[in-house]
Amino acid sequence: SYELTQPPSVSVSPGQTARITCSGDALPKKYAYWYQQKSGQAPVLVIYEDSKRPSGIPERFSGSSSGTMATLTISGAQVEDEADYYCYSTDSSGNHGVFGGGTKLTVL
Amino acid sequence: EVQLVESGGGVVQPGGSLRLSCAASGFTFDDYAMDWVRQTPGKGLEWVSLISGDGGRTYYADSVKGRFTISRDNSKNSLYLQMNSLRTEDTALYYCAKGTGGSSNWFDTWGQGTLVTVSS
Repeated sequence: SYELTQPPSVSVSPGQTARITCSGDALPKKYAYWYQQKSGQAPVLVIYEDSKRPSGIPERFSGSSSGTMATLTISGAQVEDEADYYCYSTDSSGNHGVFGGGTKLTVL
Repeated sequence: EVQLVESGGGVVQPGGSLRLSCAASGFTFDDYAMDWVRQTPGKGLEWVSLISGDGGRTYYADSVKGRFTISRDNSKNSLYLQMNSLRTEDTALYYCAKGTGGSSNWFDTWGQGTLVTVSS
């Protein structure tokens, strides 16, 4: 079955840039989406269609995709950005969703 | 404001059945596809199933295909997940999530989840 691969953890100091990657064979043809999940809360969409930011999401969140890798970038990470981040996409049929394993972002 | 409220979770023995519900409000329900996503305690997210806005198309993860059935009642603004032949590995927090169009395959809003525990 199709898989998306993320690093288990990323750690940065406040104000630094955090980059979280997601790799998958179908990403050249399928969009990537990014969800933030803080402890005890439901996930929240932070990036859609590779690089678009929903209303209400801070400008420090951005996304990009090239080849088989999508990247979520948090420029000037804040302590409140500490969370698990999941990439999401679909298989080549477009009918079956798949999540990456999640990346725990630590900002301290 | 979009609201999704799941219910129906509980404790069930292996091999048993459970029906989850998701009550939607704040948007025109039948204009949007809906999904179920689950999260094993302390672990990651797993996409479970998708139903189109008109209910005519349904898709399932391989792990639940043949055991789970997604459905919707657009007159009641409600989404359902019938879960049969439950296994211990189905233990998870189950979220319903709103799609972004009638046949979209991604979602922009999640409920708070309902917990399903499969245990003898």
